[in-house]
Amino acid sequence: AQSVTQLDSHVSVSEGTPVLLRCNYSSSYSPSLFWYVQHPNKGLQLLLKYTSAATLVKGINGFEAEFKKSETSFHLTKPSAHMSDAAEYFCVVSDRSGTYKYIFGTGTRLKVLA
Amino acid sequence: KAGVTQTPRYLIKTRGQQVTLSCSPISGHRSVSWYQQTPGQGLQFLFEYFSETQRNKGNFPGRFSGRQFSNSRSEMNVSTLELGDSALYLCASSLNGVPYEQYFGPGTRLTVT
Repeated sequence: AQSVTQLDSHVSVSEGTPVLLRCNYSSSYSPSLFWYVQHPNKGLQLLLKYTSAATLVKGINGFEAEFKKSETSFHLTKPSAHMSDAAEYFCVVSDRSGTYKYIFGTGTRLKVLA
Repeated sequence: KAGVTQTPRYLIKTRGQQVTLSCSPISGHRSVSWYQQTPGQGLQFLFEYFSETQRNKGNFPGRFSGRQFSNSRSEMNVSTLELGDSALYLCASSLNGVPYEQYFGPGTRLTVT
């Protein structure tokens, strides 16, 4: 069965310092993995996706994530945080295991300190 | 391409009433999914429609229903509203559903009084 775990519910960083949001997944088949960002009272915006091509995936706004099969991880990183990055981030897994569902993590709220 | 649109954006209803929410997916997308988002329960999957057929369903009571039209537009209906139905309802469209990415609309904020 599929599952996804976001290891931190809250992360605080100072502006200009690196961001690391952690995501572990479980999937019986080759997974598709996504990161979404949600700003307050807005819908979710797709940041990046992994669909079995390159393991290092670059997304919008300077974010990237690395698919590590041996560690079943898909952590989201950014070299330098900006105030506008403050939002909630969701890791999502899907695969062809039969349920054909998207499984959402519980979210990580990122706070950026001036 | 135009993004996913949802109408109305805000809605206030009274307990016991019913409500219909609308979602227009990205042109060419055949899959539409609905989610309920609340502070306490987070994001919860309601159902997915693909080519007018419900393909997946979450664990919600029968008061929650939906449909998809031949142009892929989708509606979600909630009957006999309860206070706990107050939430942000998000619609997402996808080219063909899993494993393709989903694109979300801005949501409809429903408040039940």
